[in-house]
Amino acid sequence: NAGVTQTPKFQVLKTGQSMTLQCAQDMNHNSMYWYRQDPGMGLRLIYYSASEGTTDKGEVPNGYNVSRLNKREFSLRLESAAPSQTSVYFCASRDGQGRNSPLHFGNGTRLTVT
Amino acid sequence: AQSVAQPEDQVNVAEGNPLTVKCTYSVSGNPYLFWYVQYPNRGLQFLLKYITGDNLVKGSYGFEAEFNKSQTSFHLKKPSALVSDSALYFCAVSPYGGATNKLIFGTGTLLAVQP
Repeated sequence: NAGVTQTPKFQVLKTGQSMTLQCAQDMNHNSMYWYRQDPGMGLRLIYYSASEGTTDKGEVPNGYNVSRLNKREFSLRLESAAPSQTSVYFCASRDGQGRNSPLHFGNGTRLTVT
Repeated sequence: AQSVAQPEDQVNVAEGNPLTVKCTYSVSGNPYLFWYVQYPNRGLQFLLKYITGDNLVKGSYGFEAEFNKSQTSFHLKKPSALVSDSALYFCAVSPYGGATNKLIFGTGTLLAVQP
């Protein structure tokens, strides 16, 4: 049981380049999330998908787009990368939409934009 | 504004001693509260949660947390620390009445357990 799988693990981009971060979960969870983690700032929600076919903005959506490809997969796209997007990106999922369900996280993608 | 505070960037404790990692919150209504742990180069792992009922909740790896409504706190505790407990710990709150997606994280506390 792999849980939440993120690819790639590491990526270096130049300013203006684009890339897609991939996420897949095998727990049959309805809800999926993208967070970024920056030192001293905790985790901030970029986008989420409450169920297949829906996506919504979180706290820091600017510069990102997402696609909920199917129930398993939720991708995050940077169309024109900026140095401010240097961060560690985490995908997470949880069963249902209830407030009491814990999140399950992937191991992250470490992105550097030069 | 709704928020979660972890007032200590780092907590140092000797192996075998009790440990406490502090968390306070500011949300309206009755919150759901969570603790997560992050080991180096890994994602966050769920430790425990408080939903309702007994103010002392027990979780994974011998950790427990005490919910105190009057002090709006949810401190993480363990009676006897292990070197392997060294990690980054995050408190999170899911406010009542908000969108169910909304989970507010604290900034994290680095726990260092010395042998």
